[in-house]
Amino acid sequence: EVQLVESGGGLVQPGRSLKLSCAASGFTFSNYYMAWVRQAPKKGLEWVATISTSGSRTYYPDSVKGRFTISRDNAKSSLYLQMNSLKSEDTATYYCARRQDGYNSHYFDYWGQGVMVTVSS
Amino acid sequence: DIQMTQSPASLSASLEEIVTITCQASQDIGNWLSWYQQKPGKSPQLLIYGATSLADGVPSRFSGSRSGTQYSLKISRLQVEDIGIYYCLQAYSAWTFGGGTKLELK
Repeated sequence: EVQLVESGGGLVQPGRSLKLSCAASGFTFSNYYMAWVRQAPKKGLEWVATISTSGSRTYYPDSVKGRFTISRDNAKSSLYLQMNSLKSEDTATYYCARRQDGYNSHYFDYWGQGVMVTVSS
Repeated sequence: DIQMTQSPASLSASLEEIVTITCQASQDIGNWLSWYQQKPGKSPQLLIYGATSLADGVPSRFSGSRSGTQYSLKISRLQVEDIGIYYCLQAYSAWTFGGGTKLELK
């Protein structure tokens, strides 16, 4: 059974840093691109970062580029999100998601339960 | 950047009713579109990928279609367990979610 379990969330002051982790199990982690998606309270979903299977390629939207860094450790089947210079607008539930590749399609087929990050003084 | 305009933002429907949710892409995205259902307090769940393919374990009352740059999710006979928020997602260039459709029972 595929499982994605996030951890590392909490309350952090604006301008500070936080690192999220996602422990994967039930599949060969190194074979899949992985991603982070967030959801601000009572708001919609927003893609945050994607990382290639080896970790050599990473992708971000402008809203977090230069502040967030996605990484992975295939030996530990773990995904990470280092978040620096946090802002109040980064307050959200952060989901770890597995990217599946189909014919002419990419999509997220498994999601973690999410971890809450609150940025506030 | 590709924009995904999802409509309606909210929808109230009766049991057994046919429900349709649409997403309009700002440019051609081919079949690089998926649909997700999110129930209160839960993480999103994949329903449809490749615009029209049903994900494993998803009831056959759900279906996806495409007409040009407009994509639709149809629930053929609404059930109580279908209540939640639905999102489309384009993966043609980066990733963009639609704004969501909150589906409630009338």
